[in-house]
Amino acid sequence: DIQMTQSPSSLSASVGDRVTITCQANQDINNYLNWYQQKPGKAPKLLIYGASNLETGVPSRFSGSGSGTDFTFTISSLHPEDIATYYCQQYDHFPYTFGQGTKLEIK
Amino acid sequence: EVQLVESGGGLVQPGGSLRLSCAASGFTFSSYEMNWVRQAPGKGLEWVSFISITSTTIYYADSVKGRFTISRDNAKNSLFLQMNSLRAEDTAVYYCARGDGGMGNDFDYWGQGTLVTVSS
Repeated sequence: DIQMTQSPSSLSASVGDRVTITCQANQDINNYLNWYQQKPGKAPKLLIYGASNLETGVPSRFSGSGSGTDFTFTISSLHPEDIATYYCQQYDHFPYTFGQGTKLEIK
Repeated sequence: EVQLVESGGGLVQPGGSLRLSCAASGFTFSSYEMNWVRQAPGKGLEWVSFISITSTTIYYADSVKGRFTISRDNAKNSLFLQMNSLRAEDTAVYYCARGDGGMGNDFDYWGQGTLVTVSS
């Protein structure tokens, strides 16, 4: 199975900060990577697909980049409503696998 | 509006069985692959199973292979997960998720989840 390693596992930032989360695969997954946001008690929401494509309706302050084994998710300017846990997910091979999540908190 | 509504969760003893359902509406169900994803209390997301549009291609996570069976009824816009030989480690919120992309790989819509608790 493909292992996805996210870092950091938790992050505290201030409103307006630029926030970056990384996700590393233990083998080449091309650009077959998605990013999800999950708020407490809610289902996850797809934000980025294909490593860098913004899902319809998602604010442009969210972005993704990377290919191969190393990927980055960025919030250009943190808003209070961005407090959530973020997950990467690879779909290069079954079984689809998620990173362990990054919990983002407001400082 | 796309809606996915799971049902069938509950408390079951180890070794028992449950059948989860997911009722889909607001889109052409027969045109999309579907997935089940679960989340143990306080833990991360774990993909469980995938089913293709015509049910000809099915995949499972190793952790449930041989115990869980995914199925769908396109005429009734419904997805199912038959769970047998349940274990404590199967305790989780189970989500059905619509799969967009070439292999149902982008989970673009999710249900609200149904809680399965395996305990004596």
